[in-house]
Amino acid sequence: ETGVTQTPRHLVMGMTNKKSLKCEQHLGHNAMYWYKQSAKKPLELMFVYNFKEQTENNSVPSRFSPECPNSSHLFLHLHTLQPEDSALYLCASSQEGGHEQFFGPGTRLTVL
Amino acid sequence: GQNIDQPTEMTATEGAIVQINCTYQTSGFNGLFWYQQHAGEAPTFLSYNVLDGLEEKGRFSSFLSRSKGYSYLLLKELQMKDSASYLCAVRDQSVGSARQLTFGSGTQLTVLP
Repeated sequence: ETGVTQTPRHLVMGMTNKKSLKCEQHLGHNAMYWYKQSAKKPLELMFVYNFKEQTENNSVPSRFSPECPNSSHLFLHLHTLQPEDSALYLCASSQEGGHEQFFGPGTRLTVL
Repeated sequence: GQNIDQPTEMTATEGAIVQINCTYQTSGFNGLFWYQQHAGEAPTFLSYNVLDGLEEKGRFSSFLSRSKGYSYLLLKELQMKDSASYLCAVRDQSVGSARQLTFGSGTQLTVLP
């Protein structure tokens, strides 16, 4: 595997379910990000991890809980989501001091 | 904070040239990025400008004017595969968010035969 991978690619869940999204980067980067992309809206930054430490949390509801066990892996734990949380969730990584962020293919989440 | 504006949709003909504009109002500035995103796929990096002027990379060029809060992405010799959404993003200069990107809503470009 190369680049940034995300699993699952598609997820349908009920409002009472608990699920997790996984992201893995094989680029040796030390910063990882979660973004939310809703239809017709800009990409919204949710969380930033730098060297496994969370450095940004852009007022994201507590029903989204990130976890970064090491610099290569990033999780987004989901519980009691709302239908308006349905969106494409993108993971990205970058090198500290670098310019470019590399994105994964995303997880298309539908909350029923 | 950042406010980024770009046109929602544009249409152009195969072989032509198209310019996608982006304007921004920022409380700090540490670079402007352009990304390409095909439907159902990840955004991919196209260009980065931090100083005024034109950066050329093959068929794609990007221009920045910091005093005007303005950038454009120029696509030459358009191909059908260039049909995609083009995202303008600005990096904040604030301490603690030096790598935080704020994205525009994207410009959906359709290339017609």
